Amino acid sequence: NAGVTQTPKFRVLKTGQSMTLLCAQDMNHEYMYWYRQDPGMGLRLIHYSVGEGTTAKGEVPDGYNVSRLKKQNFLLGLESAAPSQTSVYFCASSYNGQGQGYTFGSGTRLTVV
Amino acid sequence: KNEVEQSPQNLTAQEGEFITINCSYSVGISALHWLQQHPGGGIVSLFMLSSGKKKHGRLIATINIQEKHSSLHITASHPRDSAVYICAVKEYGNKLVFGAGTILRVKS
Repeated sequence: NAGVTQTPKFRVLKTGQSMTLLCAQDMNHEYMYWYRQDPGMGLRLIHYSVGEGTTAKGEVPDGYNVSRLKKQNFLLGLESAAPSQTSVYFCASSYNGQGQGYTFGSGTRLTVV
Repeated sequence: KNEVEQSPQNLTAQEGEFITINCSYSVGISALHWLQQHPGGGIVSLFMLSSGKKKHGRLIATINIQEKHSSLHITASHPRDSAVYICAVKEYGNKLVFGAGTILRVKS
């Protein structure tokens, strides 16, 4: 099915470890986003991309890096995981900057111990 | 102060009831989104609107730009409507700001 695919779905990391979350979309969307969702808080934007080869910081970018080498993929990296990064991470994509066709992945539950 | 405020935070309804969820925002926007997050965690976009009203099945979304307010209505509610409903506003530029969500439970 067309949509946004995130991998992995679950992960447990030790403090200081690194990992990469992969987001792939097959809708030819220009815009891609990484969000984190914490209890009692709205989704917060980590980084986003407005097209292949571009990235930009969102609301909470510290401790994360991203890359968009191919239009369909948007990678989120944690270089040195911290317990404060325990969260549920959602990738999303949209056709344009207005959010047309906004589609979310199923989420990655990350626990840093 | 949050830029996007939703009310109520929690809502319990009986099957068949008419439900209204409200969203107020404090900044100028170019669009507003209503999203649904299922108990399993998946998020689905319900509506994107910049003026007036949109309808899809039993769901109706309205927006009043002058009053900076939007409502999501569910007619003839059903237990399968139980979910978290999230309002998000698209500020000028690329920023999308999310409300904290309204937890809806519909009892049979």
